[in-house]
Amino acid sequence: NAGVTQTPKFQVLKTGQSMTLQCAQDMNHNSMYWYRQDPGMGLRLIYYSASEGTTDKGEVPNGYNVSRLNKREFSLRLESAAPSQTSVYFCASSDWGAQETQYFGPGTRLLVL
Amino acid sequence: ILNVEQSPQSLHVQEGDSTNFTCSFPSSNFYALHWYRWETAKSPEALFVMTLNGDEKKKGRISATLNTKEGYSYLYIKGSQPEDSATYLCACLSWGAQKLVFGQGTRLTINP
Repeated sequence: NAGVTQTPKFQVLKTGQSMTLQCAQDMNHNSMYWYRQDPGMGLRLIYYSASEGTTDKGEVPNGYNVSRLNKREFSLRLESAAPSQTSVYFCASSDWGAQETQYFGPGTRLLVL
Repeated sequence: ILNVEQSPQSLHVQEGDSTNFTCSFPSSNFYALHWYRWETAKSPEALFVMTLNGDEKKKGRISATLNTKEGYSYLYIKGSQPEDSATYLCACLSWGAQKLVFGQGTRLTINP
């Protein structure tokens, strides 16, 4: 039982490049989330998927897109990376909705030059 | 946007001492409060989810209380150990919302 997995663990991009961050969970959870963590800012929600087939914007969605590929997988795409998107990205899942405990992946550290 | 405040931002405590810190949130439309423990280079791990006013939860030497009427929660650590060093995050959920709002965290360092 791996829980929540994320790939890659670390990535360096040049400004304007695109990439997709992958997230998968094996806990049969319905809800999945993407957060970014910046120094002094705590965790900020980028996008979430309350259930398979739905996605919604969080607090800081600009510059990102998401796909809930199936119940297990929730990907985050940066179409044209900017230095302001340098951050650590965490994927999380919960059984059903944000009132439930969230389980976090190990994070992806992204550096945009 | 819901504002969740944690204090202090950082705290140094001697090993063996007990400590506590605060999470403040708007009391109107409150639904649930989460506490997470986040060690450096790891991912956040859940401690507690609390919903009822006056609720108190305990996990080993760590406990938490909730006051939804005045909008605060306390996290207590009894007899601090070096392995308690971490950032402690709280997050609040409002009625009708589908997303948690996190505070900035309290960074706790236990000095041996």
